[in-house]
Amino acid sequence: ELQLVESGGVVVQPGGSLRISCAASGFAFDDYTMHWVRQVPGKGLDWVSLINSDATKSYYADSVKGRFTISRDNRKKSLYLQMNNLRPEDSAFYFCAKGSGDSSWYLDYWGQGTQLTVSS
Amino acid sequence: QSALIQPPSASGSPGQSVTISCTGTNRDIGGHNYISWYQQHPGKAPKLVIYDVTKRPSGVPDRFSGSKSGNTASLTVSDLQAEDEADYYCSACADFYYVLFGGGTRLTVL
Repeated sequence: ELQLVESGGVVVQPGGSLRISCAASGFAFDDYTMHWVRQVPGKGLDWVSLINSDATKSYYADSVKGRFTISRDNRKKSLYLQMNNLRPEDSAFYFCAKGSGDSSWYLDYWGQGTQLTVSS
Repeated sequence: QSALIQPPSASGSPGQSVTISCTGTNRDIGGHNYISWYQQHPGKAPKLVIYDVTKRPSGVPDRFSGSKSGNTASLTVSDLQAEDEADYYCSACADFYYVLFGGGTRLTVL
């Protein structure tokens, strides 16, 4: 069974840093683009970043560019998001999602999310 | 990176059809067919229900259909069922280097 399990969400002070992780299982992780998407409870989906299957390309939303870094370890079947200089507006649930085999632009499986709170 | 525009709410009675629109620009919806729709029930992760404008992933009922005209994509849910009550988000690749989501539409089955 395909599973994506996020971890690492905590309470962090403004200006702080945090790395969240996503453990993948049940599929050939190294064949697929992976994404991070965030959602403030009660609000809409907000795409954050993607990384291609061999980690040679990564893209970011303007709101996080220069502060967040996406990475992956295909041997460990894990996806990461390093978040620096965190702001209160970064508070959200962070979902990792698998890019579809049909196109990297479709997110066909999602984890349950990990919650980040940025607050003093 | 402006969000795609969706109506905040839509509703219909069981058995009826409802269409949700999603408006973008020629840099996203109007520029290609990498358009998808996601269903999200409260407290759950989103689920892909439409991709490539019109295609359904395995397991998604054929009551769900998609279309596009110019810079506007649409999701139609036919023969509404109680379990269709959820939030629906459109999505499109933009400039071929990032993903845009719509603001979401809350579908209520009356």
